[in-house]
Amino acid sequence: AQSVTQPDIHITVSEGASLELRCNYSYGATPYLFWYVQSPGQGLQLLLKYFSGDTLVQGIKGFEAEFKRSQSSFNLRKPSVHWSDAAEYFCAVRGNNNDMRFGAGTRLTVKP
Amino acid sequence: GAVVSQHPSRVICKSGTSVKIECRSLDFQATTMFWYRQFPKQSLMLMATSNEGSKATYEQGVEKDKFLINHASLTLSTLTVTSAHPEDSSFYICSARSGDLSYNEQFFGPGTRLTVL
Repeated sequence: AQSVTQPDIHITVSEGASLELRCNYSYGATPYLFWYVQSPGQGLQLLLKYFSGDTLVQGIKGFEAEFKRSQSSFNLRKPSVHWSDAAEYFCAVRGNNNDMRFGAGTRLTVKP
Repeated sequence: GAVVSQHPSRVICKSGTSVKIECRSLDFQATTMFWYRQFPKQSLMLMATSNEGSKATYEQGVEKDKFLINHASLTLSTLTVTSAHPEDSSFYICSARSGDLSYNEQFFGPGTRLTVL
């Protein structure tokens, strides 16, 4: 079955530092992968998605992610983190029934 | 475009009452809608999938008689939590997809926070 794993429950970075959030997927064919961000008490906002083609995907708010089939990974990156990036980040893969299978989430804390 | 709304955004009810949550696709026709549940500090878990005009498909462990889902039109799905209890308190999020839009993408509502006293 399709699934994603986010190994890091909580990450703390300093403002202005670079960020990488890890996501590993389990899927037999080419997966449809997504990264969402959720602020406290809020819904989900789509940051970026990968369906096919260029393996480096650009998203909103300066985020990007790279699909690496050899590593079954879809890590999210940002070169310089802003305090407003503090939130919960979810990696997700589309399931067979077109539903979303979410990872456990990674909580990002940004130090001033 | 591709906006999904939920109503209410927050609801508090007494134990034993029923609560209805609406999910609407505002600018597209949603052939499929999904209902997710999120406990505090946890991930989203799929509860059920509903296709317009047919019965919802529930995930294992989700009581269909407790969580009634109706998808009567292409723009509206409702989730009714029947005889709610404190353990049903959670953040409920719906999403919708359409074959006319990006086939592989779902559009999420802002969520409904249910608190059962």
